[in-house]
Amino acid sequence: GENVEQHPSTLSVQEGDSAVIKCTYSDSASNYFPWYKQELGKRPQLIIDIRSNVGEKKDQRIAVTLNKTAKHFSLHITETQPEDSAVYFCAASTQGAQKLVFGQGTRLTINP
Amino acid sequence: EAQVTQNPRYLITVTGKKLTVTCSQNMNHEYMSWYRQDPGLGLRQIYYSMNVEVTDKGDVPEGYKVSRKEKRNFPLILESPSPNQTSLYFCASTNGLTQFFGPGTRLTVL
Repeated sequence: GENVEQHPSTLSVQEGDSAVIKCTYSDSASNYFPWYKQELGKRPQLIIDIRSNVGEKKDQRIAVTLNKTAKHFSLHITETQPEDSAVYFCAASTQGAQKLVFGQGTRLTINP
Repeated sequence: EAQVTQNPRYLITVTGKKLTVTCSQNMNHEYMSWYRQDPGLGLRQIYYSMNVEVTDKGDVPEGYKVSRKEKRNFPLILESPSPNQTSLYFCASTNGLTQFFGPGTRLTVL
C-alpha cells in the first residue's frame, strides 16, 4: 500500500522568512495530494491540494509543487507570520479525497 | 452549517469497558472514515465506509468496529478498550473532492 514520508518533523523559521516541508510517496498511482494545517487542540483543516495533472498550485502565500517522476511534493509558505505556527500534514491518495494516507506531520514554529 | 460532529469530545474509561464514539455529518457524503492521531505517527485510518452498509478496514483496524446503518452516522465501537487505544480520534467525511474532519475525541483508557 501507499506510504508517505514527511520531513522535517520540526521546523523553526524567523517571521517573514520562507518555510518548506517535503513529502515523498511510494505508490505511483497516487493522484491527489492535500496539505492540512492543525492548530493546537483543533481539527486538521485543508489549506491547499494538488492533483496529479498539475505541477504547481498557489494560493496567496502558500504553494504546493509536485514531481511525479520523483514521487515527491512540497509545501512552500512565503512571508511567514506567527499565525502560521501549527502542525502541517501532507497526504496522498489513489482515490481522490477518499482514502488518504498521511505523513507523520511537521511542527512549524514561527519566531517573531 | 455544513459540519461533522463527534461525541463525546473527551472520554476517560477503564480497560475492557465497551464504548462508542458517535460521528454524524449533514453534508450527504457517501464516504466516511475514522482516524487515530498519535504523536510522530500522523493520522492513521482505522475504518472507512463508502456507503450505507459498506465498510472496510483501514490501516489500523485491530480492536475497533464500525457500523453504517444510516448515511449520516458512522459510529466507532471499542468493545474491549485497552491502554494502547489511548489516542485522539477523528471522524471525517468527503464528497470525493475534499475531506472534512470532525472536532476530535480524546480517549484515555486506564
